[in-house]
Amino acid sequence: GAVVSQHPSWVICKSGTSVKIECRSLDFQATTMFWYRQFPKQSLMLMATSNEGSKATYEQGVEKDKFLINHASLTLSTLTVTSAHPEDSSFYICSARDIAQGLNTEAFFGQGTRLTVV
Amino acid sequence: GDSVTQMEGPVTLSEEAFLTINCTYTATGYPSLFWYVQYPGEGLQLLLKATKADDKGSNKGFEATYRKETTSFHLEKGSVQVSDSAVYFCALSDLTNAGKSTFGDGTTLTVKP
Repeated sequence: GAVVSQHPSWVICKSGTSVKIECRSLDFQATTMFWYRQFPKQSLMLMATSNEGSKATYEQGVEKDKFLINHASLTLSTLTVTSAHPEDSSFYICSARDIAQGLNTEAFFGQGTRLTVV
Repeated sequence: GDSVTQMEGPVTLSEEAFLTINCTYTATGYPSLFWYVQYPGEGLQLLLKATKADDKGSNKGFEATYRKETTSFHLEKGSVQVSDSAVYFCALSDLTNAGKSTFGDGTTLTVKP
């Protein structure tokens, strides 16, 4: 099956610094990738939809200036958490669809990134 | 908008017991339905899927049937194992919603030996 690689798997950073998380589709092309945030023992909350070559579409309540998303190629999207604070600590997960299979097929998920801000 | 409602957890079963996790949905179009599994500290893995009414998805002994008349996609397994302990998410994707996935709240399953 298709593989989505997310890096890093975990990161610890100091308050006020920025952290970049990468999401790569390894063996397929994805014009659209999705970024989710998951709090402990809760479901996934969609943060934004990342479109290759254009601006990301953010869900209501998500600060676009804080969570910068760049989708520079058909295989890479990045999420940068700027000026991180402890409340940004969470599990971040990306997903992507194989555009050749259409929009109604399953999304493939990265392994997630555990961010801890101290 | 689209929504997915999952049976509340947590669910605790003994090994070899029968498992059912209920899932119902609302969608404006004709969604595809999925079950994902998440093991501790990991991302989501696709467990099974169904793309149209009456389809049955199956994998690793798990099954779910797409029931349009009851808007349901219940997950079942005849005999659970300790290794099945995980969080299970029911989800849908809908072409009318730009292919976004909508997830249920997740159900934590613990299987005891």
